Amino acid sequence: GAGVSQTPSNKVTEKGKYVELRCDPISGHTALYWYRQSLGQGPEFLIYFQGTGAADDSGLPNDRFFAVRPEGSVSTLKIQRTERGDSAVYLCASSQPNTGELFFGEGSRLTVL
Amino acid sequence: AQKVTQAQTEISVVEKEDVTLDCVYETRDTTYYLFWYKQPPSGELVFLIRRNSFDEQNEISGRYSWNFQKSTSSFNFTITASQVVDSAVYFCALRETDSWGKLQFGAGTQVVVTP
Repeated sequence: GAGVSQTPSNKVTEKGKYVELRCDPISGHTALYWYRQSLGQGPEFLIYFQGTGAADDSGLPNDRFFAVRPEGSVSTLKIQRTERGDSAVYLCASSQPNTGELFFGEGSRLTVL
Repeated sequence: AQKVTQAQTEISVVEKEDVTLDCVYETRDTTYYLFWYKQPPSGELVFLIRRNSFDEQNEISGRYSWNFQKSTSSFNFTITASQVVDSAVYFCALRETDSWGKLQFGAGTQVVVTP
Protein backbone atom coordinates (compact mmCIF):
# COMPACT_ATOMS: atom_id res chain seq x y z
CA GLY A 1 0.00 0.00 0.00
CA ALA A 2 0.95 3.65 -0.24
CA GLY A 3 0.66 4.53 3.44
CA VAL A 4 2.77 3.96 6.54
CA SER A 5 2.60 0.33 7.54
CA GLN A 6 3.09 -0.89 11.10
CA THR A 7 3.36 -4.44 12.36
CA PRO A 8 2.13 -6.06 14.45
CA SER A 9 -1.15 -4.22 14.89
CA ASN A 10 -1.55 -5.83 18.30
CA LYS A 11 1.02 -7.33 20.62
CA VAL A 12 0.36 -8.86 24.00
CA THR A 13 3.39 -9.77 26.06
CA GLU A 14 4.36 -10.54 29.61
CA LYS A 15 6.24 -8.26 31.91
CA GLY A 16 9.99 -8.61 31.41
CA LYS A 17 9.84 -9.79 27.81
CA TYR A 18 11.50 -8.19 24.78
CA VAL A 19 9.37 -6.63 22.04
CA GLU A 20 10.04 -5.35 18.53
CA LEU A 21 7.67 -3.09 16.61
CA ARG A 22 8.20 -2.47 12.92
CA CYS A 23 7.45 0.54 10.75
CA ASP A 24 7.56 0.71 6.97
CA PRO A 25 7.34 4.35 5.89
CA ILE A 26 5.99 5.85 2.71
CA SER A 27 8.44 5.29 -0.12
CA GLY A 28 10.75 8.25 -0.55
CA HIS A 29 10.10 9.77 2.86
CA THR A 30 13.46 10.41 4.47
CA ALA A 31 12.10 11.44 7.89
CA LEU A 32 10.62 8.86 10.25
CA TYR A 33 9.11 9.39 13.68
CA TRP A 34 7.99 7.22 16.59
CA TYR A 35 5.34 8.40 19.01
CA ARG A 36 3.56 6.73 21.90
CA GLN A 37 -0.08 7.33 22.74
CA SER A 38 -1.65 6.33 26.03
CA LEU A 39 -5.40 6.12 26.44
CA GLY A 40 -7.02 9.54 26.46
CA GLN A 41 -3.77 11.35 25.77
CA GLY A 42 -2.13 13.02 22.80
CA PRO A 43 0.77 11.33 21.05
CA GLU A 44 4.07 11.68 22.89
CA PHE A 45 7.28 12.04 20.86
CA LEU A 46 9.87 9.29 21.21
CA ILE A 47 12.44 9.58 18.41
CA TYR A 48 13.00 11.12 14.99
CA PHE A 49 15.20 9.77 12.19
CA GLN A 50 16.53 11.71 9.26
CA GLY A 51 17.82 9.02 6.94
CA THR A 52 19.63 6.32 8.90
CA GLY A 53 20.57 8.42 11.89
CA ALA A 54 18.55 9.38 14.92
CA ALA A 55 18.38 13.17 14.73
CA ASP A 56 16.51 13.51 18.02
CA ASP A 57 16.01 10.71 20.55
CA SER A 58 15.16 12.98 23.46
CA GLY A 59 11.75 11.40 23.90
CA LEU A 60 12.91 7.87 24.63
CA PRO A 61 11.87 7.35 28.25
CA ASN A 62 14.85 5.24 29.36
CA ASP A 63 17.53 2.88 28.10
CA ARG A 64 15.09 0.00 27.72
CA PHE A 65 13.87 1.71 24.57
CA PHE A 66 15.93 1.71 21.39
CA ALA A 67 15.15 2.28 17.71
CA VAL A 68 17.06 1.63 14.53
CA ARG A 69 16.72 2.45 10.85
CA PRO A 70 19.74 0.77 9.29
CA GLU A 71 18.99 1.40 5.63
CA GLY A 72 17.07 4.63 5.91
CA SER A 73 13.71 3.03 5.24
CA VAL A 74 12.17 0.47 7.61
CA SER A 75 12.55 1.18 11.31
CA THR A 76 12.28 -1.06 14.34
CA LEU A 77 11.43 0.11 17.84
CA LYS A 78 12.85 -2.26 20.44
CA ILE A 79 11.71 -2.45 24.04
CA GLN A 80 13.64 -4.55 26.53
CA ARG A 81 12.37 -5.89 29.87
CA THR A 82 8.88 -4.59 29.21
CA GLU A 83 6.88 -3.12 32.09
CA ARG A 84 3.14 -2.71 32.48
CA GLY A 85 3.57 1.03 32.08
CA ASP A 86 4.84 0.48 28.54
CA SER A 87 1.33 -0.49 27.47
CA ALA A 88 0.21 2.02 24.83
CA VAL A 89 -0.30 2.47 21.12
CA TYR A 90 3.01 3.04 19.37
CA LEU A 91 2.59 5.26 16.33
CA CYS A 92 4.99 5.62 13.46
CA ALA A 93 4.94 8.48 10.98
CA SER A 94 6.98 9.57 8.01
CA SER A 95 7.42 12.76 6.03
CA GLN A 96 9.52 14.57 3.52
CA PRO A 97 12.15 16.53 5.44
CA ASN A 98 10.94 19.77 6.99
CA THR A 99 7.46 19.75 5.53
CA GLY A 100 5.71 19.22 8.81
CA GLU A 101 3.02 17.06 7.29
CA LEU A 102 3.47 13.77 9.05
CA PHE A 103 1.72 10.72 7.65
CA PHE A 104 0.86 8.32 10.44
CA GLY A 105 0.34 4.60 10.45
CA GLU A 106 -2.49 2.91 12.33
CA GLY A 107 -0.23 2.07 15.22
CA SER A 108 0.87 -1.01 17.12
CA ARG A 109 -1.10 -1.59 20.30
CA LEU A 110 1.20 -3.04 22.96
CA THR A 111 -0.26 -4.65 26.07
CA VAL A 112 2.09 -5.77 28.81
CA LEU A 113 0.48 -8.15 31.30
CA ALA B 1 5.35 22.19 31.22
CA GLN B 2 2.45 21.63 28.86
CA LYS B 3 3.17 23.50 25.67
CA VAL B 4 -0.16 22.88 23.98
CA THR B 5 -3.39 23.11 25.93
CA GLN B 6 -6.72 21.90 24.67
CA ALA B 7 -9.01 22.70 27.55
CA GLN B 8 -12.09 21.03 26.12
CA THR B 9 -12.05 17.31 26.75
CA GLU B 10 -15.26 16.53 24.90
CA ILE B 11 -17.79 18.49 22.88
CA SER B 12 -21.16 17.06 21.87
CA VAL B 13 -23.23 18.68 19.14
CA VAL B 14 -26.19 17.84 17.00
CA GLU B 15 -25.63 17.52 13.29
CA LYS B 16 -25.50 20.85 11.42
CA GLU B 17 -24.39 22.78 14.47
CA ASP B 18 -21.05 24.60 14.37
CA VAL B 19 -18.32 23.54 16.78
CA THR B 20 -15.17 25.40 17.78
CA LEU B 21 -12.16 23.68 19.29
CA ASP B 22 -9.77 25.77 21.34
CA CYS B 23 -5.99 25.46 21.28
CA VAL B 24 -3.59 27.57 23.33
CA TYR B 25 0.14 27.13 22.96
CA GLU B 26 3.28 28.29 24.71
CA THR B 27 6.65 28.94 23.12
CA ARG B 28 9.57 31.36 23.28
CA ASP B 29 10.43 30.82 19.64
CA THR B 30 9.62 33.49 17.10
CA THR B 31 9.48 30.88 14.35
CA TYR B 32 7.28 27.89 14.95
CA TYR B 33 4.55 25.82 13.32
CA LEU B 34 1.10 24.85 14.49
CA PHE B 35 -0.90 21.87 13.31
CA TRP B 36 -4.27 20.24 13.62
CA TYR B 37 -4.74 16.48 13.26
CA LYS B 38 -7.91 14.38 13.27
CA GLN B 39 -8.01 10.92 14.83
CA PRO B 40 -11.16 9.01 13.83
CA PRO B 41 -12.19 5.81 15.64
CA SER B 42 -9.95 3.81 13.30
CA GLY B 43 -7.00 5.37 15.11
CA GLU B 44 -4.94 6.76 12.24
CA LEU B 45 -4.01 10.41 12.67
CA VAL B 46 -4.94 12.53 9.66
CA PHE B 47 -3.21 15.82 8.91
CA LEU B 48 -5.58 18.79 8.54
CA ILE B 49 -3.48 21.94 8.47
CA ARG B 50 -0.08 23.46 9.12
CA ARG B 51 0.41 27.15 9.89
CA ASN B 52 3.69 28.98 10.39
CA SER B 53 4.08 31.71 12.97
CA PHE B 54 4.50 34.45 10.38
CA ASP B 55 1.19 33.84 8.70
CA GLU B 56 -1.74 35.04 10.77
CA GLN B 57 -4.26 34.94 7.98
CA ASN B 58 -7.28 32.87 8.81
CA GLU B 59 -7.82 29.89 6.59
CA ILE B 60 -10.91 28.15 5.32
CA SER B 61 -11.07 24.75 3.73
CA GLY B 62 -14.57 23.60 2.97
CA ARG B 63 -16.42 23.33 6.29
CA TYR B 64 -13.20 23.76 8.26
CA SER B 65 -11.73 27.09 9.29
CA TRP B 66 -8.85 28.13 11.52
CA ASN B 67 -8.30 31.30 13.51
CA PHE B 68 -4.66 31.98 14.43
CA GLN B 69 -4.03 34.82 16.90
CA LYS B 70 -0.46 35.32 18.06
CA SER B 71 -1.51 37.98 20.56
CA THR B 72 -3.38 35.36 22.57
CA SER B 73 -1.24 32.36 21.51
CA SER B 74 -4.29 30.60 20.18
CA PHE B 75 -5.01 28.54 17.09
CA ASN B 76 -8.68 27.66 17.16
CA PHE B 77 -10.48 25.33 14.78
CA THR B 78 -14.12 25.57 13.71
CA ILE B 79 -16.21 22.96 11.97
CA THR B 80 -19.22 24.53 10.30
CA ALA B 81 -22.44 22.58 9.83
CA SER B 82 -21.04 19.50 11.55
CA GLN B 83 -21.71 16.01 10.23
CA VAL B 84 -21.64 12.62 11.91
CA VAL B 85 -18.41 11.83 10.03
CA ASP B 86 -16.74 14.66 11.93
CA SER B 87 -16.91 12.59 15.10
CA ALA B 88 -13.29 12.06 16.12
CA VAL B 89 -10.59 13.26 18.46
CA TYR B 90 -8.88 16.42 17.24
CA PHE B 91 -5.33 17.27 18.24
CA CYS B 92 -3.51 20.57 18.10
CA ALA B 93 0.29 20.39 17.92
CA LEU B 94 3.31 22.69 18.03
CA ARG B 95 6.68 22.36 16.36
CA GLU B 96 9.49 24.61 17.60
CA THR B 97 12.70 25.47 15.78
CA ASP B 98 15.04 23.91 18.36
CA SER B 99 13.31 20.55 18.09
CA TRP B 100 12.51 20.41 14.43
CA GLY B 101 11.61 16.74 14.29
CA LYS B 102 9.26 16.83 17.26
CA LEU B 103 5.56 17.67 17.30
CA GLN B 104 4.21 18.43 20.75
CA PHE B 105 0.57 17.46 20.90
CA GLY B 106 -2.20 18.63 23.14
CA ALA B 107 -4.38 16.13 24.96
CA GLY B 108 -7.04 16.29 22.28
CA THR B 109 -10.72 17.18 22.13
CA GLN B 110 -13.29 14.47 21.48
CA VAL B 111 -16.03 15.71 19.16
CA VAL B 112 -19.27 13.74 19.14
CA VAL B 113 -21.79 14.63 16.45
CA THR B 114 -25.21 13.05 16.80
CA PRO B 115 -27.83 12.89 14.05
